Parts: sequence; structure tokens; C-alpha cells
Amino acid sequence: QKEVEQNSGPLSVPEGAIASLNCTYSDRGSQSFFWYRQYSGKSPELIMFIYSNGDKEDGRFTAQLNKASQYVSLLIRDSQPSDSATYLCAWKAAGNKLTFGGGTRVLVKP
Amino acid sequence: DAGITQSPRHKVTETGTPVTLRCHQTENHRYMYWYRQDPGHGLRLIHYSYGVKDTDKGEVSDGYSVSRSKTEDFLLTLESATSSQTSVYFCAIRDRATSSGTGELFFGEGSRLTVL
Repeated sequence: QKEVEQNSGPLSVPEGAIASLNCTYSDRGSQSFFWYRQYSGKSPELIMFIYSNGDKEDGRFTAQLNKASQYVSLLIRDSQPSDSATYLCAWKAAGNKLTFGGGTRVLVKP
Repeated sequence: DAGITQSPRHKVTETGTPVTLRCHQTENHRYMYWYRQDPGHGLRLIHYSYGVKDTDKGEVSDGYSVSRSKTEDFLLTLESATSSQTSVYFCAIRDRATSSGTGELFFGEGSRLTVL
């Protein structure tokens, strides 16, 4: 079983709609969770991190963490074509290593 | 800009040849990482370093070795490259912990390696 599971997509959303991405993890000792965005041919860049249960908002992005159910999600409101990318979730347990999911490809259609 | 430079950015080599990828950072970060990225597998950790001459294995370390003789350089070596090591390799540094204590990773631009 992979430690982090993500739907590979593609997730197709119309421009202006909400894109909802989910990630489940297996380690209950997980402490911090991250969402990275990766454009094709580019390196991943951090867009959100969350470590407490509940929601965290940053602009059009909202990260949601539910440790009891072992999932973390990312909502992208008012999706734009520039949001078309692969979104990687990652978690950090004790120690200094990040484990990544396989990524969800998002396509925002004008 | 986290001041990370990877070299070479692109390399084509033949099976059985040794290959070394270099990651150079300019901001004195303690932690450095090597990941590989393949379709359907996301990013997988190969090795990481927590200081000069201090390294540890990740989940896909077989066939790879690393060295860190200076804070700024972290080298990844494929002793005898195989076609299964064709991949995009990313170096990352761990930023100093933020007030939340998370210490996120920042990535270099990647090195695309093709083993024929």
C-alpha cells in the first residue's frame, strides 16, 4: 500500500468553478501536510501547508485536513486556465523526509 | 529563489556507464535531498543529507550513492546506469523551519537523465 494516495486524474473543471483534490495517507503519525503545484516540465512549487485539523485558506486556495479520517484536500476556487497543472500532496512524519503522492493532473477549460 | 542549481540539466548516457549529478546551493541549508520523478509514481526519495558527510537512504536507494563533502554540494552517483534509471531527478533543500515548524522543501530545476 502506498503511503499517500491521490487520484491521478485528469480532473477537468470549467473556468470559474471549484476544483477539489483529495489525498489519503496511511501514517497516523503524520505531522504536516503540503500541497505542491507542478507545471509541465517544471519543478514542484509549494502552494499550501497545513498541520492542524480544519481549514486553512490562502487566496483562492483552501487546504482541509482531517486526521481522524486520514485525508487532506485542496480546493481551488474560481479556477483559472493558469491553474492547469499537476498537484502533489506530501506529508511529513517524524524526521526530515517528505513522502509524496503520485499527483493529480488538473485541466481548467476556458 | 532558494539558490539551488542542478547540473547537468540534461544527459544521455549508455547502460553501464557511471553518471554523477550535482546539486549546488548557496544559502547554507543543512538538509538536502535527491528525488526521482517518473510518470505515475510522483516524487520518490533516493537519498538525503542532514549535514556534511551525513547521509541516509530513501525509499529507492538501490543503484545510487551520494556524497556531501561540503555544505553547498550534494552529489548523486549512478555507479553503473541502467535503463530503469531513466528519469527526472530533482534536488531539494529544506528551508529553515517556519514558525509552525514545518520546514518545507524547495526544489531545483531538475536533471533529465536518459539511459540508452
